[in-house]
Amino acid sequence: SQQGEEDPQALSIQEGENATMNCSYKTSINNLQWYRQNSGRGLVHLILIRSNEREKHSGRLRVTLDTSKKSSSLLITASRAADTASYFCAHSQISSGSARQLTFGSGTQLTVLP
Amino acid sequence: KAGVTQTPRYLIKTRGQQVTLSCSPISGHRSVSWYQQTPGQGLQFLFEYFSETQRNKGNFPGRFSGRQFSNSRSEMNVSTLELGDSALYLCASSLAFGTGRNEQFFGPGTRLTVL
Repeated sequence: SQQGEEDPQALSIQEGENATMNCSYKTSINNLQWYRQNSGRGLVHLILIRSNEREKHSGRLRVTLDTSKKSSSLLITASRAADTASYFCAHSQISSGSARQLTFGSGTQLTVLP
Repeated sequence: KAGVTQTPRYLIKTRGQQVTLSCSPISGHRSVSWYQQTPGQGLQFLFEYFSETQRNKGNFPGRFSGRQFSNSRSEMNVSTLELGDSALYLCASSLAFGTGRNEQFFGPGTRLTVL
């Protein structure tokens, strides 16, 4: 079962607005990654933030990480209809047998209305 | 550079049958991981292969198995299929450079339906 939670579960905004999604986890992590998934298709890698980083930017994406609160947030600025998708956070646990084993959150369904 | 490819994209099987799914990682990537995605359980880690060896395994029954070939291509097999095995099976590849460079790049998935 998933060991990460995301909120909100669903988010509906107008084109041009910003979208913020939050993710929480329970263990010590190596890093945290964010992915996008369109309609049950493959996952698209968006951004990776290491445990010693606090903030990272990539285009219209801004990710923050607070290891003391075991939480992360993804901000999408100036959203577009094409951003409509499910967004997942995934972390790599220090205690797992492999740094490449990802534990996924429950996902946020983002709908951007034109 | 070509992305991760998975075949077949769709598969329909009946209970009790077995199935083999294939994954070709991004060229140069040596780690291949498999995940199962269902509406009820979400995305769950199945196993990881690196240098033809299983490095890690998730909490799945022994009916789920896999292997990796010398060219890093990987297959997963599910025997004695059950209705609950219906899912999207995703393969991910990674360069596998230590703990800081383990971005996972996913393929389009294989949609398995068990009737």
